[in-house]
Amino acid sequence: GAVVSQHPSWVICKSGTSVKIECRSLDFQATTMFWYRQFPKQSLMLMATSNEGSKATYEQGVEKDKFLINHASLTLSTLTVTSAHPEDSSFYICSARDVLAGYEQYFGPGTRLTVT
Amino acid sequence: LAKTTQPISMDSYEGQEVNITCSHNNIATNDYITWYQQFPSQGPRFIIQGYKTKVTNEVASLFIPADRKSSTLSLPRVSLSDTAVYYCLVGDIRSTDKLIFGTGTRLQVFP
Repeated sequence: GAVVSQHPSWVICKSGTSVKIECRSLDFQATTMFWYRQFPKQSLMLMATSNEGSKATYEQGVEKDKFLINHASLTLSTLTVTSAHPEDSSFYICSARDVLAGYEQYFGPGTRLTVT
Repeated sequence: LAKTTQPISMDSYEGQEVNITCSHNNIATNDYITWYQQFPSQGPRFIIQGYKTKVTNEVASLFIPADRKSSTLSLPRVSLSDTAVYYCLVGDIRSTDKLIFGTGTRLQVFP
């Protein structure tokens, strides 16, 4: 099946700094990618839909100025957590759908963010 | 997107068959039912997808009754490595794209 990668797999940063997380579709093109956040023992929460060449669509309650999403190419979307705070510590997961291969959605391995 | 209801947790023993039921009373005509598996600190992994009746693949079966208001994921002869969280998602994947996750079912398999 198709592969989605994320980089880094884990990151530790200091409060107030910004962190960028990359999501790549390795063997297919994805016009749309999705970003989720997951806290311990909880389900995945959709943060935003990333559209190639246009602005991202954020879910209600997600601060678009804090979580910057850029989808500059058909294989890469980035999520930047700006001015990170300890409460932003979470597991961030991206996903993408290979529209040419059917309706299965592929998820990345996730990025563990810890803000100290 | 249709809201789903699953048991929060289930326990089983190795070698047993596990059936996880998901309720989706408001499922729409064009909605499909998809199940994902997630291990700790990993992204969800696709298990199986169906629209009606029964679907089977190499890892699971999916049973969907005629009214489609529920579905049952069946895992034959589970092993310790099947300990994970299982999510049932319902939606018209051809038009809405985004997937909204419910609470999921935490399956614990004991030796």
